[in-house]
Amino acid sequence: DAGITQSPRHKVTETGTPVTLRCHQTENHRYMYWYRQDPGHGLRLIHYSYGVKDTDKGEVSDGYSVSRSKTEDFLLTLESATSSQTSVYFCAISKDSISSYNEQFFGPGTRLTVL
Amino acid sequence: KQEVTQIPAALSVPEGENLVLNCSFTDSAIYNLQWFRQDPGKGLTSLLLIQSSQREQTSGRLNASLDKSSGRSTLYIAASQPGDSATYLCAKGFQKLVFGTGTRLLVSP
Repeated sequence: DAGITQSPRHKVTETGTPVTLRCHQTENHRYMYWYRQDPGHGLRLIHYSYGVKDTDKGEVSDGYSVSRSKTEDFLLTLESATSSQTSVYFCAISKDSISSYNEQFFGPGTRLTVL
Repeated sequence: KQEVTQIPAALSVPEGENLVLNCSFTDSAIYNLQWFRQDPGKGLTSLLLIQSSQREQTSGRLNASLDKSSGRSTLYIAASQPGDSATYLCAKGFQKLVFGTGTRLLVSP
C-alpha cells in the first residue's frame, strides 16, 4: 500500500459546522489530491496541490478550501458543511510528471455525513 | 466538458471466463489512461497506467489497451477468478483525472 492515511475515517456532523479532513503521506510525493465519490457521479476532483502552499481547483471546488503547509499533509476544509457535502472523500498522491507519469495512488477514504 | 463512459455498468460471469471492460471518452487529447479496482467500502487500487504515447500495458492476467483515435480503452481480464469481483474504474487525464462511473464485476465460482 502507498503510505497514505486519512483522518478521521468516519465523521457525522451537523449543517453549518466547519469540518477539516486530513490526508497524510509518508512517500514524499509532490502531488496530492482530494476527490469525492457519490453514487451516479463517480469520483470528482475537488482540489489538488503541486507543492507546499501551491494548490489549484478541481471540478467541484465550491464550498471547499485546502491547505498544504508541509509536504506530507494536505487538509480539506468545509467552512460550513451542507447536506450536499455528504460523501466519501478520497485523498490521492502522485510522485511527479517525469518518472512516474503521474500514476495516482489513493487513500482509504473518509465517510462524511452532514445531517 | 470531458466525459468518460463505462459500459456495462454491471457484469456477472462464471469463473474462468475471459472478459473485456470498456471505457470510452470524448476528448482525444488524453494524456494518461489509468485503470483502478475498488472493493466495497475501500479505496482505489491502481491496476495499470497507459501513457498517451502507448497502445497497451500488461500486468499478470490484465491487459489494457488504448485507442485514442476511437476514444476507447479496454481492460482485458484473462481466466477470471472470484477474487476479481470488484468495481473497475477508468480515468483519463494527467493531474486532473476524470473518472468513469465504473463497471461492477461479479465472478461466480
